[in-house]
Amino acid sequence: QVQLQQSGAELAKPGTSVKLSCKASGYTFTSYYIYWVKQRPGQGLEWIGYIYPGNGGTYYSEKFKGKATFTADTSSSTAYMLLGSLTPEDSAYYFCARRGYLDWYFDFWGPGTMVTVSS
Amino acid sequence: DVVLTQTPVSLSVTLGDQASISCRSSQSLEYSDGYTYLEWYLQKPGQSPQLLIYEVSNRFSGVPDRFIGSGSGTDFTLKISRVEPEDLGVYYCFQATHDPFTFGSGTKLEIK
Repeated sequence: QVQLQQSGAELAKPGTSVKLSCKASGYTFTSYYIYWVKQRPGQGLEWIGYIYPGNGGTYYSEKFKGKATFTADTSSSTAYMLLGSLTPEDSAYYFCARRGYLDWYFDFWGPGTMVTVSS
Repeated sequence: DVVLTQTPVSLSVTLGDQASISCRSSQSLEYSDGYTYLEWYLQKPGQSPQLLIYEVSNRFSGVPDRFIGSGSGTDFTLKISRVEPEDLGVYYCFQATHDPFTFGSGTKLEIK
């Protein structure tokens, strides 16, 4: 069955970086987009961007350009998001979600990773 | 960027009654291929969002037929007939027609 497993909670200091992972299983990793979504506690959902592991192509929402960097390791079916120059405003849950080229919707989501930025 | 305005912000419904959520877009969501990429997601407390409806009115696999999506252009509605306890949570509309994709601000459904 399709699963997206996300890495554990992170506590980071301002100005540092964290690298979150999203390990896919149960489907062909290179045939689906992996999207990343931010949710601050008690707030709504915010779309960060995506990576297409099939060719490594990426797209970033303007707001997250320079903040987030997506990579993917096809040998381990794992997508990564590097968040840099952390500030308290980056404290949030980060979800990964799968989207198909033909099945054009988010049909599976990871459980989310909580990032806390605090000195 | 496309702005999706959801109303109401919150909704308190008696079990068995109908709930209706509106999602209005700042631009038409009909894509050049003729499809309209408007989706609805439910985020239950403490969980990831889950897909309910895609392309305005198509129910995702396993979603009860109590959930009905409708609309076109810039105006869309999600109706939940016969609300059940497991329906509580926050409902989000989402558009995947225009880059960057955007979510609505959410509608919290509470059970009276």
